[in-house]
Amino acid sequence: QSALTQPRSVSGSPGQSVTLSCTGTNSDVGNYNYVSWYRQSPGKAPQLMIYDVTKRPSGVPGRFSGSKSGNTASLNISGLQAEDEADYYCCSYAGNYTVVFGGGTTLTVL
Amino acid sequence: EVQLMQSGAEVKKPGESLKISCKGFGYSFTSHWIVWVRQMPGKGLEWMGIIYPSDSDTRYSPSFRGHVTISADKSLSTAYLQWSSLKASDTAIYFCARSFCTSSTCYFYYMDVWGKGTTVTVSS
Repeated sequence: QSALTQPRSVSGSPGQSVTLSCTGTNSDVGNYNYVSWYRQSPGKAPQLMIYDVTKRPSGVPGRFSGSKSGNTASLNISGLQAEDEADYYCCSYAGNYTVVFGGGTTLTVL
Repeated sequence: EVQLMQSGAEVKKPGESLKISCKGFGYSFTSHWIVWVRQMPGKGLEWMGIIYPSDSDTRYSPSFRGHVTISADKSLSTAYLQWSSLKASDTAIYFCARSFCTSSTCYFYYMDVWGKGTTVTVSS
C-alpha cells in the first residue's frame, strides 16, 4: 500500500488560482470516489477541506474545489490568499477498511 | 464544543512500553470512529487504523498491524494507542481524529475533528 503521489511544492500569487494534483492507482483513487483533502498549517492539526472528491464541509470557502479523472484527483484553490499557505494532503479509501494519504504538497503564496 | 483531547508529550527509551490517549468531548463518542494518524518529523501523514468505540471494532493499516494496538473505553469516551516495545523509528506526532458524519451518513475514511497531537520521542 503506497502513498499517493503529490508534487512536493506549488506556488502562486495572491488572487491567482492553483491546482494541486494527487495520483494514485486503480486500487484507491481510481476505484473509489472517496477522495478527501486536508490542509495543515505549521504546528497545527489537519483540517478537512474536501470530501467525496468534490464536496466541501460546512465552513470551507467556495474557493476550494475538488475533482477527479481516472487515477488522479485535484484540488483547485482560486483567489489565492496568504492564509492558504500550508501543507495539503490528499487521502483516498483503498478498500478493506484502509485509507492512504499522499505525501503532501507545500503551497507557497508568493 | 466538540473536541478531542490528547495526552501529553512522552519521552521514552527503546524497548519501553507506552499507551497514549484521546478523550472526546461534546459529542456522542460511540457514534463516530476514532482514527489514529502518524506524522514523523518533517514528514507527511500516515493512516494507522481506526476503532469504533461502540463495539471496539478495530481495523489496522497493513503498515502498522502488529506494531501498535488500538483500543477504546466507551465509558470514559477515550481511545488509546499503545506500543509494547518502542523503537527509535516510532518517534513522531500521533494525532487522533473523529470520523466525519453528515446528517445521514458517517464516513470512517474522512476525519473532521482532530486532536492537537501527542509527541512521542524514543531515544536512548
